[in-house]
Amino acid sequence: EIVLTQSPGTLSLSPGEGATLSCRASQSVSNNYLAWYQQKPGQAPRLLVYGASSRATGIPDRFSGGGSGTDFTLTISRLEPEDFAVYYCQQYGTSPRALTFGGGTKVEIK
Amino acid sequence: QVQLVQSGAEVKKPGASVKVSCKTSGYTFTRYSIGWVRQAPGQGLEWMGWISGYDGNTNNAQKFQGRLTITTDTSTTTGYMELGSLTSDDTAVYYCGRVARWNAQYLEEWGQGTLVTVSS
Repeated sequence: EIVLTQSPGTLSLSPGEGATLSCRASQSVSNNYLAWYQQKPGQAPRLLVYGASSRATGIPDRFSGGGSGTDFTLTISRLEPEDFAVYYCQQYGTSPRALTFGGGTKVEIK
Repeated sequence: QVQLVQSGAEVKKPGASVKVSCKTSGYTFTRYSIGWVRQAPGQGLEWMGWISGYDGNTNNAQKFQGRLTITTDTSTTTGYMELGSLTSDDTAVYYCGRVARWNAQYLEEWGQGTLVTVSS
């Protein structure tokens, strides 16, 4: 199974600043099949990015995904108050029985 | 609009089973799969398995083999997740989601979650 390691665990930033979140895979993710989700307290996750770099419907363009192979990033260009949340990556490039999530990165207000 | 509405919270005793439902609307049920993900208190997300809305074919994570059953009822456009032999480690919020494509298993839309508490 592919292990996804997200870093940092917590990112303390101020509104208006930029954020770069990392997701590193233990082996290459086939076809760059990697998704990013945002989760706020008490809510279900929300899809932000799929295929490593394609934004989901309705997602603001301040969110951008990048990377390939084993190293992926989610960048938030200018943090809005509603962006403070936990972010997860998920790979779907391997066996359909071995889909995995990263451990999450919390973006908190500094 | 696409909606996935899950059944309510459950409290179960160790060794019991739980069945969570996921009622869908706003799209053609048989064109998409439904996936199940859980989240233990204060923890991250864990993929459990998914089922084709077209032919009922399932793919369950190895960790849950033997005690996880995922089904669908196309007549009511509802998905079901049943987990047996519950222990306290199964206490979690269980989410269903619509899988984007048969060969791209990320979740485009999510249910609101169902809290399952396992306690004696």
